[in-house]
Amino acid sequence: NAGVTQTPKFRILKIGQSMTLQCTQDMNHNYMYWYRQDPGMGLKLIYYSVGAGITDKGEVPNGYNVSRSTTEDFPLRLELAAPSQTSVYFCASSADRDTEAFFGQGTRLTVV
Amino acid sequence: QKEVEQNSGPLSVPEGAIASLNCTYSDRGSQSFFWYRQYSGKSPELIMFIYSNGDKEDGRFTAQLNKASQYVSLLIRDSQPSDSATYLCAVNGGSNYQLIWGAGTKLIIKP
Repeated sequence: NAGVTQTPKFRILKIGQSMTLQCTQDMNHNYMYWYRQDPGMGLKLIYYSVGAGITDKGEVPNGYNVSRSTTEDFPLRLELAAPSQTSVYFCASSADRDTEAFFGQGTRLTVV
Repeated sequence: QKEVEQNSGPLSVPEGAIASLNCTYSDRGSQSFFWYRQYSGKSPELIMFIYSNGDKEDGRFTAQLNKASQYVSLLIRDSQPSDSATYLCAVNGGSNYQLIWGAGTKLIIKP
């Protein structure tokens, strides 16, 4: 099994551009998450989903949007990129809220 | 504001010794506690989870939980150079679905 797959691994955006980070999991997990991790910091939750068609804001949702049309896919959309969105982004999934979260390999995003 | 605090380190431990990592949390309603390991440039991976007060052992790793004092710790026995990584503490934030993450402790095992 592939687990959680994120694309792309690296991306450089210009200020004001938009992009979508893709995330797919093949473990049939209901819970999916998007985190950002800044240098020397812990993970900050951007958005999460508890099942297809259900999404909710996390701690730092501004400047981002998500959708969850299927159990497998949970894309993250960045609109009007800003330098403050330079970070490493992780997608994760879990079977339940209190079980192990499996992470994708991360996307290193730089906004210049 | 719910918080999870960890000493950022680095914590330097000789090979073969016991490494002790600590984490405190602010939300008394927290039910689930996790330790993840993150190698540089890689994604986090689960090491241990604990739900009840006391100790939980898994191989060289022991998680300790004290809900009255609101701290959780991770002990690594017979530390190996391959244990060198950043260890992240994560706490389930009570009634909502969000894990609250500490900033991590960087552990260095010196041969």
